[in-house]
Amino acid sequence: KAGVTQTPRYLIKTRGQQVTLSCSPISGHRSVSWYQQTPGQGLQFLFEYFSETQRNKGNFPGRFSGRQFSNSRSEMNVSTLELGDSALYLCASSSTGRSEAFFGQGTRLTVV
Amino acid sequence: AQSVTQPDIHITVSEGASLELRCNYSYGATPYLFWYVQSPGQGLQLLLKYFSGDTLVQGIKGFEAEFKRSQSSFNLRKPSVHWSDAAEYFCAVAGEGGKLIFGQGTELSVKP
Repeated sequence: KAGVTQTPRYLIKTRGQQVTLSCSPISGHRSVSWYQQTPGQGLQFLFEYFSETQRNKGNFPGRFSGRQFSNSRSEMNVSTLELGDSALYLCASSSTGRSEAFFGQGTRLTVV
Repeated sequence: AQSVTQPDIHITVSEGASLELRCNYSYGATPYLFWYVQSPGQGLQLLLKYFSGDTLVQGIKGFEAEFKRSQSSFNLRKPSVHWSDAAEYFCAVAGEGGKLIFGQGTELSVKP
């Protein structure tokens, strides 16, 4: 069974630009969640989607948004990038959202 | 509020020695608990999980963890550490709506 796939693995963007990250969950999993990981703040929850509906959202500004498609693939978008958005963005999939979550390799975003 | 505390930021053990990583959680209901491991620049790999039942759970790579409700703890153990176990370890509790709440992580170094 294929694991969670995140693309791209690395991104370099300029302040003010926007970026879209993609996540393909494990086949059959309907829950996709996103996390931001930084050395200072650790792993912080961004949002979770289940069957195309956002069920939960973390404490991030509205510049961070996401969506989930009918095939459970998910994208997250960050608009008007700031230097502080530089981080490893991790996607996780699970069958229900309360079962174990499996993580992708992450997308390393660098904002310059 | 739901939270996870990993008291040890960094631990160094000798190869072949035993290991215990501490985790304390705060959660009102019966917790779903997890341990993940992360190598530099990589995603999180699930080591083991506790949902209910036997309080001693076995995971991959020879790891085990014990759930102690009275102490609100879920400590990770390994009887004999290998150099390849050097990584960062995260304890997590499942919150509402597909959200995982992580501790700050414990970095494990292994001395030859």
